Order: sequence, then C-alpha cells, then structure tokens
Amino acid sequence: DAGITQSPRHKVTETGTPVTLRCHQTENHRYMYWYRQDPGHGLRLIHYSYGVKDTDKGEVSDGYSVSRSKTEDFLLTLESATSSQTSVYFCAISESRGRPYEQYFGPGTRLTVT
Amino acid sequence: AQTVTQSQPEMSVQEAETVTLSCTYDTSESDYYLFWYKQPPSRQMILVIRQEAYKQQNATENRFSVNFQKAAKSFSLKISDSQLGDAAMYFCAYRSIMNRDDKIIFGKGTRLHILP
Repeated sequence: DAGITQSPRHKVTETGTPVTLRCHQTENHRYMYWYRQDPGHGLRLIHYSYGVKDTDKGEVSDGYSVSRSKTEDFLLTLESATSSQTSVYFCAISESRGRPYEQYFGPGTRLTVT
Repeated sequence: AQTVTQSQPEMSVQEAETVTLSCTYDTSESDYYLFWYKQPPSRQMILVIRQEAYKQQNATENRFSVNFQKAAKSFSLKISDSQLGDAAMYFCAYRSIMNRDDKIIFGKGTRLHILP
C-alpha cells in the first residue's frame, strides 16, 4: 500500500468555523490531490498540486484553499465551513515519471458540518 | 473535455456468478489510460485494473478482466466467480496522457451487491 495518511479521520464542526485537513505521504510523489465524495456525484476534484508551492483548482474549488510547503504534506482548508461541505474527503498521490499513471488514495476523512 | 459515464448505479449478482459493469467515456485523444477502482465499505479506494489505450489486448487481473472497445469508447469490467468480498462501489476512471497534471476523471460509480 502507498504510504498516505490523512488526519483527522473524522471531524464534526460547526458552521462558520475554519477546518484544516492534512494529507501526508511517504512516497515522495510529485502530484497530490484533494477530492470530495458525495452520493450520486462520485469523486470530484477540489484542488491539486504538481509540486511544492504549485497548486491549481479543480472542478469544485469554491470555499476551499490548499497549501503545500513540503513534498510530503498537502493541506486542505475550509476557511468558513458550511453544511454543503459535509462530505468524505480523499487525498491522492501520483507520480508522472513513466507509466502507469494511476493515483493512490488515502483512507479518507469524514467531515460533518452542523 | 473528457467525460466518464457509468449507466448502472446499482447491480446485483449471485455469488460465484459472473457480472459485467459498464463504462463509456468521451475523448478526442488517441492515447490515454483507463482504470477501474473498487471502494469497499471501508471507504479505501483500491485500484483493480488498468488499461493502456494503445494496447489492443484486454487487461486481466485474476478474476477481473476488461472489455476495451476503443472505437466504441467502452471499457467494461467483468468479474468472474463473484465473491462476497467483491461487494463494493466500483468507479471507472480516465486519465489523459497529454495532460501533464495527472488528473483523473471519475465516473459516478456502480454499487455492486453480491447475493449469497
């Protein structure tokens, strides 16, 4: 299994509070991703990073920000959590050097915003 | 933009039988990767099988095989001798070779139930 951890694994927070989710990898992979998973929507990309301090938006980036100051860590921040951000969040990593290009996923974080 | 469509939200199969999950995709590219991921109740996303578009031979991993029809843009997953542990959500996914950002586009998933 790829060395990817996410913290916390579960979190309940109140509307309007800031929340930061952490993804940590031990594989030294260049690319890191944050997805959210909701029933009926599959996995949707929030933000991704293609190197330290290099990030870009995905399809559902509104209300989220990210930071990557080290290769191994990718942080997802909800500046002011809303109930619509209740979801399961997955981090993934990949390395584009050579094929086969798949992404490896962390165990997920279940976030509930009340 | 590429899209991935899984038209079967849920499917059921009897234990030990064979089941096929459908996936179609839309792209104008000629070289790409396709994947099937499995997500059991534990929520962990597990890569089941991958297919390189330039390879005509269908990929196989033990009881899992694909039927890759490039012209039809179809990529179905066949599970033979279904087992209770195969019960999961299955996601079809597409990855462009031309894009250097490694982004993967996922379908919405098919939930597979195994009937004992």
